[in-house]
Amino acid sequence: DGGITQSPKYLFRKEGQNVTLSCEQNLNHDAMYWYRQDPGQGLRLIYYSQIVNDFQKGDIAEGYSVSREKKESFPLTVTSAQKNPTAFYLCASTVGEKLFFGSGTQLSVL
Amino acid sequence: GENVEQHPSTLSVQEGDSAVIKCTYSDSASNYFPWYKQELGKRPQLIIDIRSNVGEKKDQRIAVTLNKTAKHFSLHITETQPEDSAVYFCAASPFPYGGSQGNLIFGKGTKLSVKP
Repeated sequence: DGGITQSPKYLFRKEGQNVTLSCEQNLNHDAMYWYRQDPGQGLRLIYYSQIVNDFQKGDIAEGYSVSREKKESFPLTVTSAQKNPTAFYLCASTVGEKLFFGSGTQLSVL
Repeated sequence: GENVEQHPSTLSVQEGDSAVIKCTYSDSASNYFPWYKQELGKRPQLIIDIRSNVGEKKDQRIAVTLNKTAKHFSLHITETQPEDSAVYFCAASPFPYGGSQGNLIFGKGTKLSVKP
């Protein structure tokens, strides 16, 4: 959906470094999500937030952190504790039951 | 929690033929079943979805069927075209999302290739 903007499109992480992926939406959606996609795999939920200042762990939250200080923004930090961070990261928001995705960030390790 | 199995992992058809992708789910509480199409390097896009109170839904060349008793649902694409080539994902969840209800769980995807 054009209303969900992810940046950057490509990101490189050095060993031991924390990196932050940006996700902004102008759709006035309450709920936002972060998914990780690995080649040949489905999408796995990292974190989600249903309202401002509240977020919940998904299935693979270890090594990641999030914040939700504004309704429009849900940044994801990939910490140095995430030992295998190379993946395609997708931010999403919902209207009703329908989930719409941003354009994604490809994170690679240098 | 919910577990979704998707088959086949790859599917190759001739242009004009039909394609069928099947998914099974484990949680009888799941009531929402979307299908997404993802082209290489792009975001997944919702192409069709179905709620558990409906057995079948059609949108032009695509259709989804749901068998709640057997806990499986399928995507049918008729008169396939080269632009249908992509990875297709199914998903399932109880709705509303979140908390003890859970969130959308995705299958691992089917790579569909349509040969001209």
